[in-house]
Amino acid sequence: RKEVEQDPGPFNVPEGATVAFNCTYSNSASQSFFWYRQDCRKEPKLLMSVYSSGNEDGRFTAQLNRASQYISLLIRDSKLSDSATYLCVALSNTGNQFYFGTGTSLTVIP
Amino acid sequence: DAGITQSPRYKITETGRQVTLMCHQTWSHSYMFWYRQDLGHGLRLIYYSAAADITDKGEVPDGYVVSRSKTENFPLTLESATRSQTSVYFCASSGGGTSTNSYEQYFGPGTRLTVT
Repeated sequence: RKEVEQDPGPFNVPEGATVAFNCTYSNSASQSFFWYRQDCRKEPKLLMSVYSSGNEDGRFTAQLNRASQYISLLIRDSKLSDSATYLCVALSNTGNQFYFGTGTSLTVIP
Repeated sequence: DAGITQSPRYKITETGRQVTLMCHQTWSHSYMFWYRQDLGHGLRLIYYSAAADITDKGEVPDGYVVSRSKTENFPLTLESATRSQTSVYFCASSGGGTSTNSYEQYFGPGTRLTVT
């Protein structure tokens, strides 16, 4: 079983829509979680860190459910520029290995 | 320039050749990482380093060698390249320590390696 699993999508949504991605992790001892954004043929870039129950940054909200071992990312009022692949990441309980999901593809349609 | 850089950006090599990918960061981050990214697998950790002269294996270390004689550099060497090592390689760094942002990783632009 993979350490981190995501629905690969693709998610195709109209501009202005709200879209949510879920990600599950297998190691209940994982302490920290992150969402990265990756544009086609580019490097991943940090979108949000999720250290406790969750946090919000503008149109983006990340939530952590430790009981069910999943992390979610909510994007409100989608923009064309939000089109990308979103990677879910879990940090091992030893604090030195990061496990990446395979990513969820989002396309925002005009 | 500040940040994290990788070289070369593109490389084509033949099976059996040795090739070294370079990574350089200017933040004095403690941790550095090498990943490969392949379709269907996402990013997989090859090796990481917690500090100069300290390295450790990740998920897929076979066929790779790393060193870290200086904090800012973390080269990755494919000792005898194979076709299965054709991939996009990303280097990353993070600050380490105990602050809440110490585990945030920052990635280089990647090296696209093709082994023929």
